[in-house]
Amino acid sequence: GAVVSQHPSWVICKSGTSVKIECRSLDFQATTMFWYRQFPKQSLMLMATSNEGSKATYEQGVEKDKFLINHASLTLSTLTVTSAHPEDSSFYICSARDFSEAFFGQGTRLTVV
Amino acid sequence: AQSVTQLDSQVPVFEEAPVELRCNYSSSVSVYLFWYVQYPNQGLQLLLKYLSGSTLVKGINGFEAEFNKSQTSFHLRKPSVHISDTAEYFCAVSERGNNNDMRFGAGTRLTVKP
Repeated sequence: GAVVSQHPSWVICKSGTSVKIECRSLDFQATTMFWYRQFPKQSLMLMATSNEGSKATYEQGVEKDKFLINHASLTLSTLTVTSAHPEDSSFYICSARDFSEAFFGQGTRLTVV
Repeated sequence: AQSVTQLDSQVPVFEEAPVELRCNYSSSVSVYLFWYVQYPNQGLQLLLKYLSGSTLVKGINGFEAEFNKSQTSFHLRKPSVHISDTAEYFCAVSERGNNNDMRFGAGTRLTVKP
């Protein structure tokens, strides 16, 4: 089946710095990718929908200036957490749809210290 | 917008016993339904999906689910669980069509005890 690769799998950064997470669809083209956030022992919450060649669509309550999304090609979407703070520590997961099915990246564990 | 309710946050069960994890959804349009499993610090693995056709869907690892439109439910079942089935299970829904986002339930923690 289709594969979505997410990198890095974990990252530790200092408060105030920025972190970029990459999400690649390896064997299919994804015009749309999705970014989710998961707090410990909680469900996945949709943050934004990433559209190739256009602006991302953010869910209510998600700061677009803090979580920058770029979808420059049909196989790559990036999420940049700008000026990260400890409360941004979480598990971030990307997803890409291939027709009716969604494929998920391995997730990125972000810890801001 | 669509939404999902997983009625049980935790389900403890003994090894080789049957299990049912409940899921109800809400949507004003036709939907696709999914069950995913997540192991600690990992992404999601698809167990099974309902797109159309037969309402009884069989998935991997011996799991199956039945789509019930009148009850707007998509409960997950396994007749005999193993220790290795201990994980978090998520029910998800998306509107029919391509490139629609997926909404997840709160998850059910299945713990299989020896």
